Amino acid sequence: AQSVAQPEDQVNVAEGNPLTVKCTYSVSGNPYLFWYVQYPNRGLQFLLKYITGDNLVKGSYGFEAEFNKSQTSFHLKKPSALVSDSALYFCAVRDGSVNAGNNRKLIWGLGTSLAVNP
Amino acid sequence: GAGVSQSPSNKVTEKGKDVELRCDPISGHTALYWYRQRLGQGLEFLIYFQGNSAPDKSGLPSDRFSAERTGESVSTLTIQRTQQEDSAVYLCASSLADARKDTGELFFGEGSRLTVL
Repeated sequence: AQSVAQPEDQVNVAEGNPLTVKCTYSVSGNPYLFWYVQYPNRGLQFLLKYITGDNLVKGSYGFEAEFNKSQTSFHLKKPSALVSDSALYFCAVRDGSVNAGNNRKLIWGLGTSLAVNP
Repeated sequence: GAGVSQSPSNKVTEKGKDVELRCDPISGHTALYWYRQRLGQGLEFLIYFQGNSAPDKSGLPSDRFSAERTGESVSTLTIQRTQQEDSAVYLCASSLADARKDTGELFFGEGSRLTVL
């Protein structure tokens, strides 16, 4: 069965410090991995994705994520957090195989609330 | 349109009334999702349409909930005999969903906030 785990409900970090939001996944085929961000009272926005290629992917707003196949992880990172990064972050996975069929549906983590303190 | 459009953006209704929420996906997007998000919570999958395939209705919480989509166009989510527990933001998203071209990114609407009194 496909699944996504975000083990932390909340992450607190001081402005200027590096941040990490964790995500681990389970998928039967080729994983397509995504991070989305939701700012207060807004819809979800795409942040970055891993499809193939370099394990380190860079996205919007200075965020990056590293795909680690052996650990089945896709942690979101930023070298220096901003107060404006405070938001809800969602990790998602789907099976990217051509013959994935119904497994192409995105599976979502429960979200991690990031609070960046000034 | 340029993005996913949802209407109404806000709906306040009385318990027991029916409501209909509308989603207009990005033109050409064959996949369409409905999610429910309660205050401060994650995304709760409701239903998934992909092209002409039978929709995946596995997330609909009760038979009061139903959704329709005509071809690859507009979708409506209907909640009958609303209950206070139905109060939430209902999010719609679409994606290209072509196995050869699709990289799976979803494009979300701003959501429809439903309040059942």
